[in-house]
Amino acid sequence: DGGITQSPKYLFRKEGQNVTLSCEQNLNHDAMYWYRQDPGQGLRLIYYSQIVNDFQKGDIAEGYSVSREKKESFPLTVTSAQKNPTAFYLCASSITRGKTNYGYTFGSGTRLTVV
Amino acid sequence: AQSVAQPEDQVNVAEGNPLTVKCTYSVSGNPYLFWYVQYPNRGLQFLLKYITGDNLVKGSYGFEAEFNKSQTSFHLKKPSALVSDSALYFCAVRAENNRLAFGKGNQVVVIP
Repeated sequence: DGGITQSPKYLFRKEGQNVTLSCEQNLNHDAMYWYRQDPGQGLRLIYYSQIVNDFQKGDIAEGYSVSREKKESFPLTVTSAQKNPTAFYLCASSITRGKTNYGYTFGSGTRLTVV
Repeated sequence: AQSVAQPEDQVNVAEGNPLTVKCTYSVSGNPYLFWYVQYPNRGLQFLLKYITGDNLVKGSYGFEAEFNKSQTSFHLKKPSALVSDSALYFCAVRAENNRLAFGKGNQVVVIP
């Protein structure tokens, strides 16, 4: 079945560590996105990529980095520069036809906790 | 900038009663509007979308939404709520660079 897979489901990070969250899709979608979800704040866009080897900063990119070397994969690295990384992270992908976004497909999320 | 607003933090409704979750939008041009649902510790699931056409859009799990251009609203509705409808609901609009901008979400609690 086609879908979008995030791993791991739970991740614990020590202070000062970098960690990488995985996001893989087999939907043949061109665009991929990373969102951060905190209670009462909705979804905030971290980074997005509309095509391989290209990505753009979202609203809260500081302390995060991404790569898009393959169409199927869009990993997110939470660096030590991100001072408050504890959150639920959601990856999404979308199909675009004629530059129209018909909606996202979401992964099941990764819960990151700083210990 | 394109945006949506969900004015209520929580909606409480008795099982079997009609459910409405409110969303208003602000866009330049024609809006592309979406509703998603999220269960605890899960990703968001697509419910329905309005791109063009009929103002009443039918979606998954018995939900529907009405696009109202004069009131710039896109309220989500269900005629008879179930306890299993208790979840977090997000409204979204297509924004700059073809990405989606989400509202802050509404917690729906269906009381048995």
